Amino acid sequence: GESVGLHLPTLSVQEGDNSIINCAYSNSASDYFIWYKQESGKGPQFIIDIRSNMDKRQGQRVTVLLNKTVKHLSLQIAATQPGDSAVYFCAGKHTGNQFYFGTGTSLTVIP
Amino acid sequence: ETGVTQSPTHLIKTRGQQVTLRCSSQSGHNTVSWYQQALGQGPQFIFQYYREEENGRGNFPPRFSGLQFPNYSSELNVNALELDDSALYLCASSLAEGAGYTFGSGTRLTVV
Repeated sequence: GESVGLHLPTLSVQEGDNSIINCAYSNSASDYFIWYKQESGKGPQFIIDIRSNMDKRQGQRVTVLLNKTVKHLSLQIAATQPGDSAVYFCAGKHTGNQFYFGTGTSLTVIP
Repeated sequence: ETGVTQSPTHLIKTRGQQVTLRCSSQSGHNTVSWYQQALGQGPQFIFQYYREEENGRGNFPPRFSGLQFPNYSSELNVNALELDDSALYLCASSLAEGAGYTFGSGTRLTVV
């Protein structure tokens, strides 16, 4: 099976600072990972993905880093804004079609 | 381009009843997955449908069943509802098996 967990259930950052959300996974065969953002009352929203043949991928204000050696990935958000406040999930997939989600980190941006 | 739409948005059922939840996938997406998200938890995979066939199932009992229609829309049926079935049920569509999802906003089911 697979378990995916985030390191901290809550994270508070000052507006304008960078945020780093961490995630660990258990199955070394996991080959595809996605970070999702979930706002209250809404479904998860795709942020960025990364495949296991990469160790870094950048999007708009976001970067995902993958360390397969220690089975860890992180989401970095640059210049965090109040609109970034949400719960963030990492999800991983190895065989089959299901993604395994962590329990989420709640990010609060302090104005 | 429309996203994933789910109905109803909220639902209250009594223990032992049956419920059907509906999902319209994003235009062009042929794969639909259903997830259960309990309060404060991450989504848990229920099953996936591809070309009207179940194409993967998580650790859920047979009273959770589904359908996918030729237009790729989908239903989730839950029989003999239990209190622990209370959760947010998320539908997600994708272009292919194992690809990244687009999620709907979910149906909040409360079983009393």
